[in-house]
Amino acid sequence: KQEVTQIPAALSVPEGENLVLNCSFTDSAIYNLQWFRQDPGKGLTSLLLIQSSQREQTSGRLNASLDKSSGRSTLYIAASQPGDSATYLCAVVAVNTGKLIFGQGTTLQVKP
Amino acid sequence: DVKVTQSSRYLVKRTGEKVFLECVQDMDHENMFWYRQDPGLGLRLIYFSYDVKMKEKGDIPEGYSVSREKKERFSLILESASTNQTSMYLCASNPFLLGAGGNTGELFFGEGSRLTVL
Repeated sequence: KQEVTQIPAALSVPEGENLVLNCSFTDSAIYNLQWFRQDPGKGLTSLLLIQSSQREQTSGRLNASLDKSSGRSTLYIAASQPGDSATYLCAVVAVNTGKLIFGQGTTLQVKP
Repeated sequence: DVKVTQSSRYLVKRTGEKVFLECVQDMDHENMFWYRQDPGLGLRLIYFSYDVKMKEKGDIPEGYSVSREKKERFSLILESASTNQTSMYLCASNPFLLGAGGNTGELFFGEGSRLTVL
């Protein structure tokens, strides 16, 4: 059974720091991995989608990498800003079920 | 930009009432989903649909039903609301992609509907 884990559950950093959020999954048989952002009381916003054949995707200050063999993905945020404060979730589509499996998320606070 | 719109951001209902949550997407996506999100439990899939009039149970379908009469609209129905259905409900959609499990397109979410059942 595919499981997705995000550690740490919460992270607090000063503004300007480069930071890495981690996502691990137990079964390397995935179609893709997607990173989302969620602000309090709101829905999820798609940040980056990495297909299984890809190693990374970039959007602005965000870079997501995927290492299927080790079951890991990282979301790199460069020069963090207070506006980056949110919960970040990763999710994989498992090959055996075709279903999207979410991690529990990492809540990020960037202090001015 | 893809837009997924949920008709109600906040609802307060009484136990036993029938509740309709509406979701509309404007990008001609085949797949639509209803999730609920609770602290400590994360996102859990209630129902999904791959086509008009088609529905599949997710992980927690009990107490819910759905309707998909038009491609762009997916409704979640609580026949008789109970207090344990107080939650944030999230609708999502993505395109059906052939040859890759059908569920590998980028997923887009609505803003969520916060339901309180008293």
